Amino acid sequence: EADIYQTPRYLVIGTGKKITLECSQTMGHDKMYWYQQDPGMELHLIHYSYGVNSTEKGDLSSESTVSRIRTEHFPLTLESARPSHTSQYLCASSELLTTDTQYFGPGTRLTVL
Amino acid sequence: GQQVMQIPQYQHVQEGEDFTTYCNSSTTLSNIQWYKQRPGGHPVFLIQLVKSGEVKKQKRLTFQFGEAKKNSSLHITATQTTDVGTYFCAGFSGAGSYQLTFGKGTKLSVIP
Repeated sequence: EADIYQTPRYLVIGTGKKITLECSQTMGHDKMYWYQQDPGMELHLIHYSYGVNSTEKGDLSSESTVSRIRTEHFPLTLESARPSHTSQYLCASSELLTTDTQYFGPGTRLTVL
Repeated sequence: GQQVMQIPQYQHVQEGEDFTTYCNSSTTLSNIQWYKQRPGGHPVFLIQLVKSGEVKKQKRLTFQFGEAKKNSSLHITATQTTDVGTYFCAGFSGAGSYQLTFGKGTKLSVIP
């Protein structure tokens, strides 16, 4: 089992609040990802990073932002949460430029009231 | 950009029946990977196929990679309730786009 962690696992928050979802991995992987997924539905890539100080937007437009100051840490921030942000957020990591096999964290289930 | 299509979107089977999900890519792939996500869980890597025409087995699961390296299938023989979940294929093209592209997944329900 891969060593990738996400906190919090569940978050219920009011509209307009700023939130940060944490993701950490201890595998030394260069590449990290954030996906948004509604229950049982497809995975939407919203952000990825090739390494420290690298961040890219994914296929799905998102109002969230990410940072990569340390290899092991890839937090996602929403400046002002809205009900439309309610979803599950999955973090993943992989070794750079190999087969891109991804290891997923347990996810954060976000509910914005 | 690269697209990965997966069918069917949903499949309901009686326990003991077989199940197959299919994956097609718009471009030739370097490898194809399969993931399983249990209800309420996160995707977990199952297997990777690299060679043209490759077939791999994991107990009751059989994975195939097409000769042209643009399609793949996952077949489960004699489904069990533990097989319930969503199965995702993911294609990696390698050159130019070092990024895995996931299919939309096939959600499998097994009726006991």
